[in-house]
Amino acid sequence: AQRVTQPEKLLSVFKGAPVELKCNYSYSGSPELFWYVQYSRQRLQLLLRHISRESIKGFTADLNKGETSFHLKKPFAQEEDSAMYYCALQPNSGNTPLVFGKGTRLSVIA
Amino acid sequence: KAGVTQTPRYLIKTRGQQVTLSCSPISGHRSVSWYQQTPGQGLQFLFEYFSETQRNKGNFPGRFSGRQFSNSRSEMNVSTLELGDSALYLCASSLVAGVNTGELFFGEGSRLTVL
Repeated sequence: AQRVTQPEKLLSVFKGAPVELKCNYSYSGSPELFWYVQYSRQRLQLLLRHISRESIKGFTADLNKGETSFHLKKPFAQEEDSAMYYCALQPNSGNTPLVFGKGTRLSVIA
Repeated sequence: KAGVTQTPRYLIKTRGQQVTLSCSPISGHRSVSWYQQTPGQGLQFLFEYFSETQRNKGNFPGRFSGRQFSNSRSEMNVSTLELGDSALYLCASSLVAGVNTGELFFGEGSRLTVL
């Protein structure tokens, strides 16, 4: 079965420090990986997907198939980055739904 | 374009009661998914509907059910409520269902409290 693991429930960093939110997945095929974000009092929304290879709000994520990881990184954290971040996997085999990790709460301290 | 709309936003029920939650997807979106969000478990998939057909079902007991109407609006029902059903129930819509579904658009959720 597919599984997404986010080992950190809470990650606190100082403003301007680099941030890395970890995501590991378990899936034997070639998945699509996503990062979703939920800011305070806002809806859960897509931040980025690996297939786009883009940087959104300064965040990037690289799919490492060897390590089955999809860590989210930003070189300089901002206070407005404080939010709940969810890593999600879409199996690339048939009509299967997104599988989410349990989420990591990022707190950026001024 | 209006976003995904969920009603009611908040509700309180007692054990043993039942509840029906409603979701109106973004216009033109035919796929609707439901997730249960709790602090300890994150987002857990409940079910997905596409063109009035249940495409996928998560690992929840039969007390949890859903349906989709011809206008793509969806409802989920939980019968014989238990304390552990207290959660935020999220609905998400997407343009199509299937492989590489693409972006999910989430509603604000229905927060259910079971006393």
